[in-house]
Parts: sequence; structure tokens; C-alpha cells
Amino acid sequence: QLQLQESGPGVVKPSETLSLTCTIFGASITSSTYYWAWIRQPPGRGLEWIGTVSYSGTTYYNRSLRSRVTISVDTSKNHFSLKLNSVTAADTSFYHCARHFVTGTTWFDPWGQGTLVTVSS
Amino acid sequence: EIVLTQYPGTLSLSPGERATLSCRASQSFSSSYLAWYQQKPGQAPRLLIYGASNRATGVPDRISGSGYGTDFTLTISRLEPEDFAVYYCQQFDGSTVTFGGGTKVEIK
Repeated sequence: QLQLQESGPGVVKPSETLSLTCTIFGASITSSTYYWAWIRQPPGRGLEWIGTVSYSGTTYYNRSLRSRVTISVDTSKNHFSLKLNSVTAADTSFYHCARHFVTGTTWFDPWGQGTLVTVSS
Repeated sequence: EIVLTQYPGTLSLSPGERATLSCRASQSFSSSYLAWYQQKPGQAPRLLIYGASNRATGVPDRISGSGYGTDFTLTISRLEPEDFAVYYCQQFDGSTVTFGGGTKVEIK
């Protein structure tokens, strides 16, 4: 059964870089059928897509975050990563990773449980 | 960027009642690229519907999706206790994903 697990620091200082990893269990990240995504959700608020990456490195980013975001794949570790630089309190959120299907239709499934990242000095 | 507006923001209903949730897009797009999710407190979102009307694995048939163009609907024919949650629509236009703001279905 496919499962995704986010990992990374729970607290990041303002102006620094948020770094998270999503490890995939039960499937290979090198599948050409699926892409992989990061989605965030401020506590008590709605969902915001951050970006999507293919195993070959093709990326799609949220226009409002594009200048600060990098999503990359490490096929040797079967995981993908998120880097968000110059963070502020507005970046405090639960960060979820998910498998993203984009060919002929769209869906995110499954999702990781999510990890809370707080931006605070 | 396609903006998705969900309404109502909150739906107060009793178990057994019918729930109708709406998702309106700022511009028309293919219904193939519209999905719906359910989220309960403390949990990750769960895929319910993709391609506007296709149920994901394990989704009961009391939950259905419809619509095309700019107007999409999620219908729960008879609310069960486990259906009280927040629901989100989502689209992908080939390069950008957007989510609606969500509709909370609460117990009246």
C-alpha cells in the first residue's frame, strides 16, 4: 500500500529556508505515470498548492511562491524535497506531500499526514 | 489562473438530509480536471471524486459529482454521521493547480 511521510524541522526562523522531505513507501518515485506534489494548509484555513514535480525533474509551481520554491527528486532515496526560502510568519502551515495524477484527469492521492512548520524566532 | 469559489461556506444539515455543495470557476475548463476532497479535523484530505463525476476507490455511492464548464456540484444524497466534514474542489489547467476555499458541512 502506497504511503507518503513528510519529515523536517518543526520550527524555522524568519528569513531562513524551510526544508522538508517526503519519503515514498510502497511505490517507486520513478513511475512515469505519476507526479509528486507539496500542498500546505495554514491552521484552520484552506488548502494551497505549492508545486508538483515529475521523477525526471519537470516542475510546476504556484505562481505566487515560484520565486522562493524549489522542489526536487532524489530517485536513489525514493523521496522528493521542498525548499522554501526567505520564510515569514505567513509560511506557518501544515505541509502535506501527495501523489499527483495529471494525465487526462487530475487528483491528489494518497496524501501524507502532514507536518506542522512554524516560522518563529 | 482559474479561481474556484465554493458556496455556501457552511451548510448546516441533519443526518439523513441531502447536501448540495457548489464549486464555481472563474473560467470554463474541462470537467476531466475537476476533483473533490473531504477533510476531517486532524486528518489529511481524502480524494472523493475525480473527473467531476468519477468516485475514487471506496467512496460510497451516496456521494456523487456532476457539472461542466464553470459550475460543478458535489451531492451527498443522505448524510451519514461520518460525512460531516470540510469539502474542497480542485482543478488543474495543465500548469497550475487551484483549490476552492472549502465548504463545511456541520450538524444542525
